[in-house]
Amino acid sequence: GQSLEQPSEVTAVEGAIVQINCTYQTSGFYGLSWYQQHDGGAPTFLSYNALDGLEETGRFSSFLSRSDSYGYLLLQELQMKDSASYFCASYSGNTPLVFGKGTRLSVIA
Amino acid sequence: DGGITQSPKYLFRKEGQNVTLSCEQNLNHDAMYWYRQDPGQGLRLIYYSQIVNDFQKGDIAEGYSVSREKKESFPLTVTSAQKNPTAFYLCASSNRGAGEQYFGPGTRLTVT
Repeated sequence: GQSLEQPSEVTAVEGAIVQINCTYQTSGFYGLSWYQQHDGGAPTFLSYNALDGLEETGRFSSFLSRSDSYGYLLLQELQMKDSASYFCASYSGNTPLVFGKGTRLSVIA
Repeated sequence: DGGITQSPKYLFRKEGQNVTLSCEQNLNHDAMYWYRQDPGQGLRLIYYSQIVNDFQKGDIAEGYSVSREKKESFPLTVTSAQKNPTAFYLCASSNRGAGEQYFGPGTRLTVT
C-alpha cells in the first residue's frame, strides 16, 4: 500500500519559520507535492519535488530526501494568512496522487 | 484565463434524489479527478479519468458514477445509493504523467 504521515496540527508565531514534515511509503515513487487549503476553499498547488534537495518559491520552500522517504514544507516569515491546512501528496507515475491527511497550521500573533 | 470550474457552489437535495455535479477545465489536461472531503478530513478519491471515454474507480466509488465524453468535462453523479452524500466535492485535473494537480473551487452538497 501507499501511505503518508504528517503531523495533524502545528502552531507557530507570526514572523517565525515553521517546518511541516511528511514521511511516505510509496512504491514506484516519482515525487512529492504540497498543497495549501484555507478553510472553506479548495486546495491550491504549492510545489513539487522530483529530485532530492530544496526548492524555493518565495517564502515557501520544499525539501525532498528520497533515501529517507521524507520531505518537508518550510514556511518563512509567517503571516496570519498562512493559517491553513497543508497536504503532502506522493506521485508514482500514471496513478492518482496519494494525499496525506493534512496538517492544520495555526499562526498566532 | 485557464482553469477549472465547478457548478454550482452550493447544492441542496432531498434524500433519494440523484444529483449531478459539473466540472469543466480549459487547461487541456488529459487527467481529471473527483474527491470528497468531509469536515476536518483529508481528500478521498472517488473516480478518475486519464483519457476520454475511460475512467477508473477510486477508493470510495460506491454510490457515485461518472462519464468522460469530452476532454474538458468530467461530471459526477451522486446517486441515491450513496449513504452519506453530504460533503464538499472537489474536481481536479492534471497533465497525464505529472505530479501536480489543479483543483476547482468545489461544490458543497447538502442532502436532507
